[in-house]
Amino acid sequence: NAGVMQNPRHLVRRRGQEARLRCSPMKGHSHVYWYRQLPEEGLKFMVYLQKENIIDESGMPKERFSAEFPKEGPSILRIQQVVRGDSAAYFCASSPTSASTDTQYFGPGTRLTVL
Amino acid sequence: QQQVKQSPQSLIVQKGGISIINCAYENTAFDYFPWYQQFPGKGPALLIAIRPDVSEKKEGRFTISFNKSAKQFSLHIMDSQPGDSATYFCAARAPQEGAGNKLTFGGGTRVLVKP
Repeated sequence: NAGVMQNPRHLVRRRGQEARLRCSPMKGHSHVYWYRQLPEEGLKFMVYLQKENIIDESGMPKERFSAEFPKEGPSILRIQQVVRGDSAAYFCASSPTSASTDTQYFGPGTRLTVL
Repeated sequence: QQQVKQSPQSLIVQKGGISIINCAYENTAFDYFPWYQQFPGKGPALLIAIRPDVSEKKEGRFTISFNKSAKQFSLHIMDSQPGDSATYFCAARAPQEGAGNKLTFGGGTRVLVKP
């Protein structure tokens, strides 16, 4: 059973470009969380999605950031007009349900560097 | 109120020694406290978790101690091994009806076990 897949693993963008980060949850998991990790810091929650629905985006910046989890295909975190402060590791995690007893399984992350 | 404070930021321990990492929280609504282990370039992996109705949980060389009245919990790594060298994150979750399972993370502790 493959784990959570994320791609690309490393992404370099120039200021003003767009970044698209993909996350394929574990098989059978329909709940996806995105977290951001700045250098030398802990992970910060960004957004929680179920298939075709954004449930909680309280941690996502209001501008330039968007997320989706379509019926078919991976979840996408999209950052428009990237700035240097967007440089970070972005992790997605998945769980089978939203029950508190469910473990969140993390992917290997996408390391975004903005030049 | 959502913050989880973790200490120390880094820790050096000799092989065979005990590593102790502490976390404190303010939000009394938190009802689930996992610890994650992260190796460089990898995503966090669940190590062990506890609920506030239990004061201690042990899995192999890893033990969580939980003090509900003090709003503190700690991770003890017994007989530390060089392979335990990693960054450890505590986390906490507050139940939100229909809003999933988002985690609030501590800042992380980098543990180095010297042979």
